[in-house]
Amino acid sequence: QVQLVQSGAEVKKPGASVKVSCKASGYTFTSYGISWVRQAPGQGLEWMGWISAYNGNTNYAQKLQGRVTMTTDTSTSTAYMELRSLRSDDTAVYYCARVSVAGDLHFDYWGQGTLVTVSS
Amino acid sequence: QSVLTQPPSASGTPGQRVTISCSGSSSNIGSNYVYWYQQLPGTAPKLLIYRNNQRPSGVPDRFSGSKSGTSASLAISGLRSEDEADYYCAAWDDSLSGRGVFGTGTKVTVL
Repeated sequence: QVQLVQSGAEVKKPGASVKVSCKASGYTFTSYGISWVRQAPGQGLEWMGWISAYNGNTNYAQKLQGRVTMTTDTSTSTAYMELRSLRSDDTAVYYCARVSVAGDLHFDYWGQGTLVTVSS
Repeated sequence: QSVLTQPPSASGTPGQRVTISCSGSSSNIGSNYVYWYQQLPGTAPKLLIYRNNQRPSGVPDRFSGSKSGTSASLAISGLRSEDEADYYCAAWDDSLSGRGVFGTGTKVTVL
């Protein structure tokens, strides 16, 4: 069965970086992409971007350009999302989700979420 | 801030029909597919409707989606207690080099 398992909760200070992992299993990793979606406490969902596990192509949300990097390691079927220069408003649960192609929001499988807390 | 607008709340008694609206623009709903997600408290969202009105396998036919122009809607018929959740619409937006956008979210309460 398809599973996306994310790394554990993180607590970071403002200005630091965080790297969240998302390990996929149960399907051919390179046949799909991974999108990242975050949700601040008590708030709605925010699309962060997408990466193709086939060729590494990315598409980031404009508001995060320059601070976010999404990568994949096909040898371990793992996707990563790194966010730099963290601010308090980056405090959120970060989700990875499987998606077929760029420009698609058909997220059929999701990770369990990773809480990132940014606090001094 | 969300580009797609939803009512903050909706409610109904068991067995009733509830409809949630999602208002967008020509750059998102008007030109791309709409998706709907259900999020139960403390859990990851779950795909409920894709490509405007298609249900993934396992989603009850009590859930239905529709789209007209720059708006979309999700209907829940035969409301059940387990339908109490947050619901989000989503669509691709062709502006700003393309981006995914979600609705503001609607909390459905079963009275």
